[in-house]
Parts: sequence; structure tokens; C-alpha cells
Amino acid sequence: EVQLVESGGGLVKPGGSLRLSCEVSGFTFTNAWMSWVRQAPGKGLEWVAQIKSESQGGTTDYAAPVKGRLTISRDDAKNTLYLQMHSLKTEDTAVYYCATEYGDSHFDYWGQGTLVTVSS
Amino acid sequence: SYVLTQPPSVSVSPGQTATITCSGDKLGFRNCCWYQQRPGQSPVVVIYQDNKRPSGIPERFSGSNSGNTATLTISGTQAMDEADYYCQTWDSNTAWVFGGGTKLTIL
Repeated sequence: EVQLVESGGGLVKPGGSLRLSCEVSGFTFTNAWMSWVRQAPGKGLEWVAQIKSESQGGTTDYAAPVKGRLTISRDDAKNTLYLQMHSLKTEDTAVYYCATEYGDSHFDYWGQGTLVTVSS
Repeated sequence: SYVLTQPPSVSVSPGQTATITCSGDKLGFRNCCWYQQRPGQSPVVVIYQDNKRPSGIPERFSGSNSGNTATLTISGTQAMDEADYYCQTWDSNTAWVFGGGTKLTIL
């Protein structure tokens, strides 16, 4: 059974930092392209960041609003995806989901999400 | 950047057919998929590659994509279909793009 379990969310002040983790099981993480998607309270889904498999160079891509502040990374030995968040803004408040990518087709598995609240 | 546009809300009576549209420039030349998100839950893909249903998704869910519009059709809607629905596609410049979402209400 495929499982993605996010952790690391919480309350942080504007300008602060946080690191989210997504531990996966039930599939070969090494081959997987992964994304983070967020959803602000009462709002729609917003793609945040992507990381390709190491065999595809492990290259990353980011949505414009987070570029330079958020960093996606992976540890294939630990079957874990990360999202390092710096210089957080109130508008970064959201539930953050990790998801597996099925080529350029869709996201086939999602985690349960972890809530990040940026507030003073 | 590439933009997908959905109606904010759609309402249908139980047993009727719900149609949710997603518009984008030449969207028909791209793969499009649809997610269902019930309150408090993670999204679940219900249609991918325009018209394919994952295993476990009821046959009443179908999709099409042509021209500038992708369409999600739910035939014989049930109370359990009440949810938010999002379309999504891949763009070489913008990467992954979601539509704004449509709230489906079963009256």
C-alpha cells in the first residue's frame, strides 16, 4: 500500500523558517518524481515545487511566489521528501501536501497534509 | 503563465448529470486531469489523461477535452459526489497548473 506521511507543520512567525518532511512507503521512491502542493484556508490547490528522480538529474522547479524562499530536496536512502521554508510570509499559511507524479499526466498519490501557519 | 478557469460552483439535483468545465488556451492539445476533494480530505484523481478513470472510480465519472475546454461529467450524481473539483494540466513554462476549483452541490 502506498503511503505518504507529511510532518513538520506548525506555527511560525513571519520571517521564520520551517522544514516539512514527507516519508513515503509502498513504492520505489528512488524512481519517483515528487511535488509539494499547498492549499490556503478556504482556497484552491496551488502547486509549489517539484523534484525529479536522481536518475533524471534530481532537478527542481518552483512556483514563482516561493522561488528563492522554499527549497525542495530528497533523501532516497530515507525514502523522504523535504521542503525547507525560509523567510515565511503570512500568505504561506496553508496545508502542504506531498504528492507523487505520474509522468506529466497527474498526481496519483497524495499525503494527508500538514498545516503551516505563519502569524505573529 | 498558463491559466485554467473553472466556474466557482455548480449545482445539480440527485440523479441528474453534473457538468464541470475547465478552460485554457489550446487545452485540448494537453493532457488534463480532474481531482475530487471532499471537505477535510486530500485530493483524489478521478479522471486522468482527459478521459481515463483510475481503478476504484465509479463509471459515472467521465471526461473529455477538446479545443480550449476540458469537461468533467458526473452522471446520476449522488450525495457522496458533493465536493470540490479541480482540473490540472502541465505547462512547459509554468509547470503544474490547477484550475481555481468548482464546488459541486447536490441539492
